[in-house]
Amino acid sequence: EDQVTQSPEALRLQEGESSSLNCSYTVSGLRGLFWYRQDPGKGPEFLFTLYSAGEEKEKERLKATLTKKESFLHITAPKPEDSATYLCAVQAWGYQKVTFGTGTKLQVIP
Amino acid sequence: NAGVTQTPKFQVLKTGQSMTLQCAQDMNHEYMSWYRQDPGMGLRLIHYSVGAGITDQGEVPNGYNVSRSTTEDFPLRLLSAAPSQTSVYFCASSRGQGATKVRYTFGSGTRLTVV
Repeated sequence: EDQVTQSPEALRLQEGESSSLNCSYTVSGLRGLFWYRQDPGKGPEFLFTLYSAGEEKEKERLKATLTKKESFLHITAPKPEDSATYLCAVQAWGYQKVTFGTGTKLQVIP
Repeated sequence: NAGVTQTPKFQVLKTGQSMTLQCAQDMNHEYMSWYRQDPGMGLRLIHYSVGAGITDQGEVPNGYNVSRSTTEDFPLRLLSAAPSQTSVYFCASSRGQGATKVRYTFGSGTRLTVV
């Protein structure tokens, strides 16, 4: 059974204080690993798809990286508007199902 | 605006009542799905559809029915509401289910309370 574990559950940063969110996964052949951002009271919003170990994707202050066992979402010099819950999800080869983690709630304080 | 539209945004039901959560997308996406989101449990797949006339069960299908008569619409029916179905429900769509296509667009959610 596919599993996704995200840590920490919550993270509080000062504006400008860089950090990383972790997503550990267990899957029988990774087809894709996905990162989403979810604001309070809204649906998740797609950020990145990573396909293979060593791959990196960047968007503004966010950079996602992938190894064979985990993915990191690096946040460089965060701003208050980066405050949200970040969700990680995986899809295995041969299956349509996407398994989501429980998320990391990020708060960036001015 | 293009995207996924869910109605209603909020609903309170009494135990045993039935209702339908509506989901519509205007992006001509083949794949549509329903998730529920509960604290500490992440998003869990209820039902999904890979095209009009084709539906299948996810990991938590009991107590829910779906149908897909058109590409645009994918309603979720609660047959006899139970307090355990209190949750936030999200509809999501994508062009397909290959990893290059699994870029879900989510609706804004329906917050359901069953008393």
